[in-house]
Order: sequence, then structure tokens, then C-alpha cells
Amino acid sequence: DAKTTQPPSMDCAEGRAANLPCNHSTISGNEYVYWYRQIHSQGPQYIIHGLKNNETNEMASLIITEDRKSSTLILPHATLRDTAVYYCIVLSTGANSKLTFGKGITLSVRP
Amino acid sequence: EADIYQTPRYLVIGTGKKITLECSQTMGHDKMYWYQQDPGMELHLIHYSYGVNSTEKGDLSSESTVSRIRTEHFPLTLESARPSHTSQYLCASSESRTGGGNQPQHFGDGTRLSIL
Repeated sequence: DAKTTQPPSMDCAEGRAANLPCNHSTISGNEYVYWYRQIHSQGPQYIIHGLKNNETNEMASLIITEDRKSSTLILPHATLRDTAVYYCIVLSTGANSKLTFGKGITLSVRP
Repeated sequence: EADIYQTPRYLVIGTGKKITLECSQTMGHDKMYWYQQDPGMELHLIHYSYGVNSTEKGDLSSESTVSRIRTEHFPLTLESARPSHTSQYLCASSESRTGGGNQPQHFGDGTRLSIL
């Protein structure tokens, strides 16, 4: 599975949009982009995933560039409870594919 | 919200004891996983199972063992605990793939294990 690169940390103000970038320049055609987050002392939580079209659910939006080499997770109105480590993971569609968590990006939402 | 439970939530125990960490899910998921995570560090897959009587070792070598006798239950055992086993252990489950990418994994809140 392709490797991803994320900045180590970022912050944003409460109520503003948080835009979390991810680079996956070696992504191949059958690989999806997944986002999870891990709030301190809890297990990771699935957020969203996509292949090439932009995706939106009740938690976030995922914007994937046309060449699929990078993506952005958008939390439209960040709250203090969104402070967490966010993991961008590329995963193939193979039934035996397994998640590989990197270091992620630490998002700090400030009041 | 996913229903996956891990017990105990915290365990402090002496060296040499046999330990079993429990993980149960009520969603009928075929796939189950165990991850290990040290504080501030990355998660590493140590075991997984794609169904009853199926278990495989993950990317990180572990002295623990697992079993999958029932779909909903995936316990992890350490026969003789050592201080090097001190870590957080996270269990997850997912449905088998039905298209649109692999199904998301749902995680429990983990067991924090401390071996004295």
C-alpha cells in the first residue's frame, strides 16, 4: 500500500474550518484514501474514505485532487472535541489489505 | 455507533502471570484485529482474523497469542507477562468487503496493560 505524508501538527480556532492535508503521491489506481482519528486514550474512529470523487458525511468532507496524489480532510466547524490525532491511510481494495497507521497529524482546536 | 467491547480497561499485574485480554463485538463482523500502541507512538497490527478458526500474525512480532472460536469473540493471551509487554492493546472489527473499498474498522477503547 502507498505511503502517506502528513505535517506533524496544526491548530485552528473553534468554529472555523479545519483543513488537514495529506500527500500520497505513490497511490495506485485501486487504492482508497481513508481517514481515522484518535482522541486521547480512546480507540481510533473511522471518519471517511474515498477513491477519486469528493465525499461528504456528517463528520467531514474529503477532497481528493484530480491526480489523486493528495487529499484534504475538512472539518467544517471545528469544536474542542475535534482535538485529536488524524490519520490519513491509503489502502488497496484487496480483501487482505490491512490498515497501516503512521504518525498522523495532531489537530489542536483552540477556544 | 459500533458495538465492540474490551475488558479490562486497565490492568496492572506482576511479571510471570498469565493474562487474557477480552474483545467482543455484537455486529457479526467476520474480520477482527489486535493492535498494540505505546504512549505517543503509532499503532501496530499484531494479530488478525478473517473468521472462525482463522488467525494470522500481523506486521509487528508479538509474544501474545489469539484464538477465534466464535465470531463475536477474539481474546488475546500472554502466557507469561513481562515488563516489555506494557502497552495499550486495541481491538477492532470490520465487515468483509462488499465493494467501494474495504469496510471501515471499528475500534474498542483498548486495554492499558502495565506489567510490574
